[in-house]
Formats: sequence, structure tokens, C-alpha cells
Amino acid sequence: GAGVSQSPSNKVTEKGKDVELRCDPISGHTALYWYRQSLGQGLEFLIYFQGNSAPDKSGLPSDRFSAERTGGSVSTLTIQRTQQEDSAVYLCASSPEQGRGNQPQHFGDGTRLSIL
Amino acid sequence: AQKVTQAQTEISVVEKEDVTLDCVYETRDTTYYLFWYKQPPSGELVFLIRRNSFDEQNEISGRYSWNFQKSTSSFNFTITASQVVDSAVYFCGGQNFVFGPGTRLSVLP
Repeated sequence: GAGVSQSPSNKVTEKGKDVELRCDPISGHTALYWYRQSLGQGLEFLIYFQGNSAPDKSGLPSDRFSAERTGGSVSTLTIQRTQQEDSAVYLCASSPEQGRGNQPQHFGDGTRLSIL
Repeated sequence: AQKVTQAQTEISVVEKEDVTLDCVYETRDTTYYLFWYKQPPSGELVFLIRRNSFDEQNEISGRYSWNFQKSTSSFNFTITASQVVDSAVYFCGGQNFVFGPGTRLSVLP
């Protein structure tokens, strides 16, 4: 299908290591979002990309977290020096954005990150 | 800042019962959009509905219906004649990437 694709689906790593999570949005969608969902919890906004505009990084919890979006398409979320509290499901979504979050978001299956 | 409240953490019903999930949205914006998403046990969030704050008409889609009241900023979701497949976590969301904590619905056979 042509949905949002995230990889890897699962990632287990040791505390202190860096990890990269990838998101491939739906073709033509200009907006891309990253969220974090801890076990049994709601969605925590991390970062928002819209076209060529500067990303909204207001949700990133610390400077260990960063994200890029190359060519207006694929995005990579990087977590440096991982901590156990980073364990969560990281969700990516995209939408044909015309405003800040006013369009339905299409979500990927997520990456389940486990920090040992 | 916007805030979405879903006061019901978990709800259990028996199949064929009707159930209403509550959502309250706080914002200073005069116009805004609200959403409902479903997250089944498989994990992928699925969009259900988007509502513009200008439109207070109820909306019905099959067994699902939504009631938006701007005066109380409530956007409630009713499932009629619930089925086991409706078991999921339901999230209400607003603009600016704000989501409620979700309501876990369990429909028992």
C-alpha cells in the first residue's frame, strides 16, 4: 500500500547508544509529524515539518533528540545517548497540510524502541 | 495553550450496548478542528472524523455518531450497538498536535 512506512518496527539497544528511526510519508503529503507513545499513554508531540518551513521542534524533550527531513520526504528521528526513559513507541504521521494540524493525520505502525 | 480532556480512562460494555466517549477541548481560538482516532490492539492509529468548530450538526456514519457542542467545547462520540471489533483505544485530538490521553473501550461478547 501507499501508507506511512516506518522502520525498523522494533529496535532494542543498550543505554547510551544512538538510534535512528526512519519515516517515509505518503507521497505528496507536505506535513510530517513525530509523536512518542509510552506504554498505555497518550500521544506526546515531538516535532512537525511542513514543506520548506523551519520545523516546529517545541515538543522535543531534550537536546538528545533531533530530526531531519530530507527533500521534503523521508524523515529521520535521532536519539543520542539513549536512556531507559526513552523506551516507547515512536509514531510518525503525515498529512496534506494546509495549516497546523487541521488535516487528518495518517499514521505509520510505529517503531517500538526498547532501551536496556 | 490547547488542551484535550478525555475523562473516561477505561470503559467496558457488553456487546450490543450503546456507549458514549466524552471529549472536551479547551482553546482560546474561535475556530478550530477536532478529530477522533481509533487505535485497535494491532496498534496503528486510524482517523475516524474531523469536525470544524463552525459546524454543530451531528454526524452519523453507520453505527458511529458524533455530537459537537461549541458552548461546552464537547465533542462526544457514540457507538451504537457496540461490537467486539470496536474494542480499542480512542483518542480525541485538536489542532496543534494536541491529543487527549485516550479512552480504552472493551466490548465484551
